[in-house]
Amino acid sequence: AQSVSQHNHHVILSEAASLELGCNYSYGGTVNLFWYVQYPGQHLQLLLKYFSGDPLVKGIKGFEAEFIKSKFSFNLRKPSVQWSDTAEYFCAVNSNAGGTSYGKLTFGQGTILTVHP
Amino acid sequence: GAGVSQSPSNKVTEKGKDVELRCDPISGHTALYWYRQSLGQGLEFLIYFQGNSAPDKSGLPSDRFSAERTGGSVSTLTIQRTQQEDSAVYLCASSSYGMAWQFFGPGTRLTVL
Repeated sequence: AQSVSQHNHHVILSEAASLELGCNYSYGGTVNLFWYVQYPGQHLQLLLKYFSGDPLVKGIKGFEAEFIKSKFSFNLRKPSVQWSDTAEYFCAVNSNAGGTSYGKLTFGQGTILTVHP
Repeated sequence: GAGVSQSPSNKVTEKGKDVELRCDPISGHTALYWYRQSLGQGLEFLIYFQGNSAPDKSGLPSDRFSAERTGGSVSTLTIQRTQQEDSAVYLCASSSYGMAWQFFGPGTRLTVL
């Protein structure tokens, strides 16, 4: 079974600080990796995704994530956060369920990021 | 429509009543998923539809929970004899053929008194 662990429940930063949110997953096969974001009062949105190839992936709003296979990690980074990045961030995985079907996402517990102006 | 829609946005019910939650996926999306988001439990998978069939129902917490999908489009999640522990935000997501990621709706906040 797949499982996802996010290291931090709540991270508090000042604007312009650098961000790194940890994510580790457990699964024996090939996985697809995602970061989703939920801004206050809004629905979950895809931030970035990794399937294969270059382990450093870039997403929207200046976010990037690095897949390190040996560490089963997919950490999210941003060099300089803004107040508008205040949100809850979820790491998620899924795998191919057969053919072109990908099945459920397994989510981490989420990390609340608060950015002070 | 432009995105996944869910109704109602909020539902307050009394313990023991049945509730129905509706999801309209993005037009043309073949896969539909239900999740539950609650404090302390995070985001939990409930059920997955491919077309009108449900190859994975492993997340349904009890036989009080059921879901159906008709016409390869709209889905209804039904909770019978609601309990207070059913209080949560119920999220629906959809994805297109061959797409690994999912688009989420705004959710239905269910409160069981």
